Amino acid sequence: DGGITQSPKYLFRKEGQNVTLSCEQNLNHDAMYWYRQDPGQGLRLIYYSQIVNDFQKGDIAEGYSVSREKKESFPLTVTSAQKNPTAFYLCASSQQGSQPQHFGDGTRLSIL
Amino acid sequence: GQQLNQSPQSMFIQEGEDVSMNCTSSSIFNTWLWYKQDPGEGPVLLIALYKAGELTSNGRLTAQFGITRKDSFLNISASIPSDVGIYFCAGQSIVSSNTGKLIFGQGTTLQVKP
Repeated sequence: DGGITQSPKYLFRKEGQNVTLSCEQNLNHDAMYWYRQDPGQGLRLIYYSQIVNDFQKGDIAEGYSVSREKKESFPLTVTSAQKNPTAFYLCASSQQGSQPQHFGDGTRLSIL
Repeated sequence: GQQLNQSPQSMFIQEGEDVSMNCTSSSIFNTWLWYKQDPGEGPVLLIALYKAGELTSNGRLTAQFGITRKDSFLNISASIPSDVGIYFCAGQSIVSSNTGKLIFGQGTTLQVKP
């Protein structure tokens, strides 16, 4: 089945560690996005990529990094510089920028 | 930055009742999207709207793109227990259409009493 796969479902990070969240899509979509969701709030854009080997900062990029080496993959690294990383992270993709985004099932990151 | 005001923040209704929620923006959008999110899962696209005045249905759901292009509403008729979840509106401005960037509302939490 075509879709967006995020892994792991749950992730725990120790203070000072970097962690990487995986996002893979087999929809042949050009654009991919990372969002952060906190309780009672809407989704906030972290990074997005419209084509391979290119990506742009979203509204809350500080403390995060991404790469887009392959069309189907857009991993997100939460660095130790992100002081409040506990959140639900959602990856999305779309055929083109103007097409609706479709989401994966998310990764919940917690701090030990 | 741009913001969307989504209301109401939460609703607790009886099964069988109709539901209405809306989003308003301070700027003009050329696309409105409505998503539903179940607990612990990603949002699922319900309805996409692309033209001012457009009225689109998906089963018991109906959404409209406001004439001013600054608002949209979602109606759910004859609610059932599986309608429970968080409903998000999302808008895309003309400026952002080539990047695909969306602005999200804060969500409406719907609870349905059987």
